[in-house]
Amino acid sequence: AQSVSQHNHHVILSEAASLELGCNYSYGGTVNLFWYVQYPGQHLQLLLKYFSGDPLVKGIKGFEAEFIKSKFSFNLRKPSVQWSDTAEYFCAVNSRTGGFKTIFGAGTRLFVKA
Amino acid sequence: DTEVTQTPKHLVMGMTNKKSLKCEQHMGHRAMYWYKQKAKKPPELMFVYSYEKLSINESVPSRFSPECPNSSLLNLHLHALQPEDSALYLCASSHGRTGLTYEQYFGPGTRLTVT
Repeated sequence: AQSVSQHNHHVILSEAASLELGCNYSYGGTVNLFWYVQYPGQHLQLLLKYFSGDPLVKGIKGFEAEFIKSKFSFNLRKPSVQWSDTAEYFCAVNSRTGGFKTIFGAGTRLFVKA
Repeated sequence: DTEVTQTPKHLVMGMTNKKSLKCEQHMGHRAMYWYKQKAKKPPELMFVYSYEKLSINESVPSRFSPECPNSSLLNLHLHALQPEDSALYLCASSHGRTGLTYEQYFGPGTRLTVT
């Protein structure tokens, strides 16, 4: 069955610490990969996406993610987090040939201490 | 304009009521989605419309009835809901070309409480 697994459900960091959130997927065929973020009181918004090409993709606010096909992974990174990065982060996958069905991971709640 | 709007923001309804949720976008997207999100859970896909036709129905109970009157509007009609249907209902849109599914733009959601 298709699934998306996020390893960390809750992460607490101090400002300036480095961040890595894990995401693994189980999905047949060619995939599109996304990280969405939901800041407190705000709606879900796209952080970054991978469709093809360079497996290292850069998104907004200094975030980046690396697609490792052999590991079925799409981990999110940021070298130095800020208090304003406190949010919930969702990894999401859909199939290039599967149409519009997007599967979301369970989410990771990040809290950054000032 | 990269906004998806949803009304109402909050809705409280009894189990015998009929109500509707509305969603609107003006980005020219031809795919529109309804998701259900329970607290501390990821969004769960309910329905997808592509070019105003129902493309995906994730085995949603018939008490939820979607409607796409035109390419900018998406409705979700609610009837005889159960308390467990209380959740945040999210609308999203994306480009509609099958096989090249683009990222989704989400609305702020409607917080539904069924009493």
